[in-house]
Amino acid sequence: ETGVTQSPTHLIKTRGQQVTLRCSSQSGHNTVSWYQQALGQGPQFIFQYYREEENGRGNFPPRFSGLQFPNYSSELNVNALELDDSALYLCASSSLADLTYNEQFFGPGTRLTVL
Amino acid sequence: AQRVTQPEKLLSVFKGAPVELKCNYSYSGSPELFWYVQYSRQRLQLLLRHISRESIKGFTADLNKGETSFHLKKPFAQEEDSAMYYCALTDTGFQKLVFGTGTRLLVSP
Repeated sequence: ETGVTQSPTHLIKTRGQQVTLRCSSQSGHNTVSWYQQALGQGPQFIFQYYREEENGRGNFPPRFSGLQFPNYSSELNVNALELDDSALYLCASSSLADLTYNEQFFGPGTRLTVL
Repeated sequence: AQRVTQPEKLLSVFKGAPVELKCNYSYSGSPELFWYVQYSRQRLQLLLRHISRESIKGFTADLNKGETSFHLKKPFAQEEDSAMYYCALTDTGFQKLVFGTGTRLLVSP
């Protein structure tokens, strides 16, 4: 069984640029959630994708957008980068089969630095 | 609003001492509560969830709805317990996790 993978590991961008982060979900999982973890903080929910549709969104502006592909992998896109976007971005996959909670398995994260 | 509060950023104990990591939450409904752990150079992983009522690696956590708390306890800390611990909640049916700011547990020999 393959775990959640994320790419790239690290990324440096300048203010105003756009970035795309990628996540491959764990085998058998159909749901991907994205979290932002700023330094010294806990992860904050950005949004979740289920069957290629957004299935809930946290308090993040529209310049944060995402995609989920038929193989359940996902992308997080951030436009017009700001300095405060510097953070660790975590992807988590799970299996949304019914209304009970199913464990989310986290990837190693992508460290984004905005200069 | 949903909120998870972990009042201690750092908890430092000696090996063999009891450990209690505090977690309080605010939520209008019946959330599910979790403890996640992140060991050095490893990814975030689930330690335990309140509905399973399991003891994992000697850790237990009891949900106190009256005090809206979900403190994590272990009677005898081990050096390998040193890690970052996050308390989190979610509402059933929507898999969004709300995390606290985390407590770093440092167990010294």
